[in-house]
Amino acid sequence: NAGVTQTPKFQVLKTGQSMTLQCAQDMNHNSMYWYRQDPGMGLRLIYYSASEGTTDKGEVPNGYNVSRLNKREFSLRLESAAPSQTSVYFCASRSGTGGAYNSPLHFGNGTRLTVT
Amino acid sequence: RKEVEQDPGPFNVPEGATVAFNCTYSNSASQSFFWYRQDCRKEPKLLMSVYSSGNEDGRFTAQLNRASQYISLLIRDSKLSDSATYLCVVNLNYGGSQGNLIFGKGTKLSVKP
Repeated sequence: NAGVTQTPKFQVLKTGQSMTLQCAQDMNHNSMYWYRQDPGMGLRLIYYSASEGTTDKGEVPNGYNVSRLNKREFSLRLESAAPSQTSVYFCASRSGTGGAYNSPLHFGNGTRLTVT
Repeated sequence: RKEVEQDPGPFNVPEGATVAFNCTYSNSASQSFFWYRQDCRKEPKLLMSVYSSGNEDGRFTAQLNRASQYISLLIRDSKLSDSATYLCVVNLNYGGSQGNLIFGKGTKLSVKP
């Protein structure tokens, strides 16, 4: 059971380069999320998708775009990478139906991104 | 007041000790609560949900106090393998939306032989 799969695991970019982080889940979850985690800052929500076809900004959306390609996949794009975007990025999903507020998040393994 | 606050620790305890973490939250409309465990350089993993009546899973006990707006996690008979960072997570309900999960910054636990 793969759960939530993120690619790539590691990436080094130069300032101004672009890239897309991929995320797929096989749990038939409706809701998907992108977080970043920085030392001393905890996990912060970048964007989320409550259901297929919808996306919403989280706490720190600037510099990012997302696409909910289908129910399984939710990608995060950095159009012009900046050193401030050096971080660990986690994709997550949860059921999002019925007792949505009681359903926990399931995380991918993370992408470690360095922007030089 | 921050939305979700935790003592960052570190908590350094010997094997076999009992240790407790608290987490306070500021939004009284918070709907659901979780404890996650995160090992160094790994993804957070669900440890347990926190129910209104309190719940137990083996050596782990979670409590919710809505009146005082805090949740707690008690670990009995600590094992070396319990060493990790424990994240408190609160789900806020924004009207008809999916709401948002707010993470505390985590409490670091180190269990020593």
